[in-house]
Amino acid sequence: ETGVTQSPTHLIKTRGQQVTLRCSSQSGHNTVSWYQQALGQGPQFIFQYYREEENGRGNFPPRFSGLQFPNYSSELNVNALELDDSALYLCASSLGTSGETQYFGPGTRLLVL
Amino acid sequence: QKEVEQNSGPLSVPEGAIASLNCTYSDRGSQSFFWYRQYSGKSPELIMFIYSNGDKEDGRFTAQLNKASQYVSLLIRDSQPSDSATYLCAVNTGGFKTIFGAGTRLFVKA
Repeated sequence: ETGVTQSPTHLIKTRGQQVTLRCSSQSGHNTVSWYQQALGQGPQFIFQYYREEENGRGNFPPRFSGLQFPNYSSELNVNALELDDSALYLCASSLGTSGETQYFGPGTRLLVL
Repeated sequence: QKEVEQNSGPLSVPEGAIASLNCTYSDRGSQSFFWYRQYSGKSPELIMFIYSNGDKEDGRFTAQLNKASQYVSLLIRDSQPSDSATYLCAVNTGGFKTIFGAGTRLFVKA
């Protein structure tokens, strides 16, 4: 157990809907990164949050957005869902933003119909 | 050229053998290197991290890094059926972005 929690564990949505995924970081960790993992692929970096600000972003459209709260927990929001958004969404927490070790939560599996 | 490349496998080894998993990366500025294990339907679990050239050992696992060749590997000694999983190589250049390979599937035959 890494101490990183995510909710919900599973979610089914339809195209065009919006979804919010949540993550609580490991105690003492101030940085949260979000990843999308499609079946058979490695995790793809979406963005990273540090001290409540977006610290960096991967190649994902603006309909993917996030928040980080003062307690370092974080949300990932996806608007206008597309079928290709179906994936495992992973949250990883770390102590810092310079390549420190990241510890993953259990993930949220999203299915878009 | 992919930024982090791994052979997708499956790599099949008999129980008790050494499993050797390899990874190459394209960015010469990469500074941090990680190996994660991922069981089917689960999230990645950290096995090892390595920052300096050479070998780093932790129990049955040894990570090897060669920055000149842009190559990092993971050796698993005395492989067990419970080691059967997908192994993800991850590379960070010192900033916010960690890049993962697609993973190598390992199958350890009892």
